[in-house]
Amino acid sequence: DQQVKQNSPSLSVQEGRISILNCDYTNSMFDYFLWYKKYPAEGPTFLISISSIKDKNEDGRFTVFLNKSAKHLSLHIVPSQPGDSAVYFCAASASETSYDKVIFGPGTSLSVIP
Amino acid sequence: NAGVTQTPKFQVLKTGQSMTLQCAQDMNHEYMSWYRQDPGMGLRLIHYSVGAGITDQGEVPNGYNVSRSTTEDFPLRLLSAAPSQTSVYFCASSYSPGDEQYFGPGTRLTVT
Repeated sequence: DQQVKQNSPSLSVQEGRISILNCDYTNSMFDYFLWYKKYPAEGPTFLISISSIKDKNEDGRFTVFLNKSAKHLSLHIVPSQPGDSAVYFCAASASETSYDKVIFGPGTSLSVIP
Repeated sequence: NAGVTQTPKFQVLKTGQSMTLQCAQDMNHEYMSWYRQDPGMGLRLIHYSVGAGITDQGEVPNGYNVSRSTTEDFPLRLLSAAPSQTSVYFCASSYSPGDEQYFGPGTRLTVT
């Protein structure tokens, strides 16, 4: 059973518009969440993170929102640019317990259309 | 500062052969992990290590072995390759499990 879910395998957005990527998790021990971006034939690279003590974290065009009660987070990209076209992975970890694994979701492929 | 390096970049094995995927990092990170990426499955954790001499299983450990004798190196061994192990393998490191992980460029493995 997947502990981290990204239910949209793909998303297409016009350049300049907002991209919203969603992620749901089932394990209530998770308290730290990260987003990674991956281009073809490269390793993933870190994008932005959020701790469970916050409900929002912003870095330039990227904002992550966390709804703990719904076990849901989302990544907003505004405005979207063609260079944002990549696969986006949501990841979760439990920093304060002995559960020291980092679990990734299946990813969402974002296409930004010029 | 090379970051995380992986060798080889590509490998073709026959069923039943064994091999070791190499991973090294020069950032003095304690936490290292191996993932495999398959279409529609995302990045699945194979094995991980929280420090030299300490390893543990991830989500999909069967058919793989790891050891961590130094902080820098974390090799992944395929004991007897099977076609189901055809995948792209990524090694990653970070200061701790919850921190940003740095990934290597990946090894594309095909088992025939």
